[in-house]
Amino acid sequence: DAGITQSPRYKITETGRQVTLMCHQTWSHSYMFWYRQDLGHGLRLIYYSAAADITDKGEVPDGYVVSRSKTENFPLTLESATRSQTSVYFCASSDPGGGPSTQPQHFGDGTRLSIL
Amino acid sequence: QKEVEQNSGPLSVPEGAIASLNCTYSDRGSQSFFWYRQYSGKSPELIMSIYSNGDKEDGRFTAQLNKASQYVSLLIRDSQPSDSATYLCAVNSGGSNYKLTFGKGTLLTVNP
Repeated sequence: DAGITQSPRYKITETGRQVTLMCHQTWSHSYMFWYRQDLGHGLRLIYYSAAADITDKGEVPDGYVVSRSKTENFPLTLESATRSQTSVYFCASSDPGGGPSTQPQHFGDGTRLSIL
Repeated sequence: QKEVEQNSGPLSVPEGAIASLNCTYSDRGSQSFFWYRQYSGKSPELIMSIYSNGDKEDGRFTAQLNKASQYVSLLIRDSQPSDSATYLCAVNSGGSNYKLTFGKGTLLTVNP
């Protein structure tokens, strides 16, 4: 029961580089999310996806790109990394459920990204 | 901007006491409420979901919801040192039934 896995767990890169964070879930959840977590800001939504090939911006999308060609994968790319993107990144997924109530999100272990 | 507010703490309680964590939210249309626990250096872990006004109990945890006051709380009875963590309140937001807005969290320390 792998659940939701993120890779890499830790990454150090330099400003201007492209870096891709991977997220894979085995639950067949429709919804997937990318958050960043910074001291003083809590969890902030970067991008989310309701299904394969459907993505939308969250609260802080600038500088990030996502894709979702398969239900189980939701990679996040920093096209030209900046120091302000140093953060802990969490991927999450949820099931749509059968009614109006929101289903809880389940989180991966996170990627700690440092940009020098 | 929909907001979820929590006391940042830290909240310190002795072992065996009741810890009370509070959360207010601004979106009157919110219908789903969650409490997550996050240990230092780890990811958020769901501990409670609540959808209806009133109390919901699960072991030592009780979630309380008052939609009229836009208030949700988490009580931890018989607090243990292993409960020491940051507790995040999350509320569905923006008319969406799947997006969540998270509070910044309350750091709880349970002293032996």
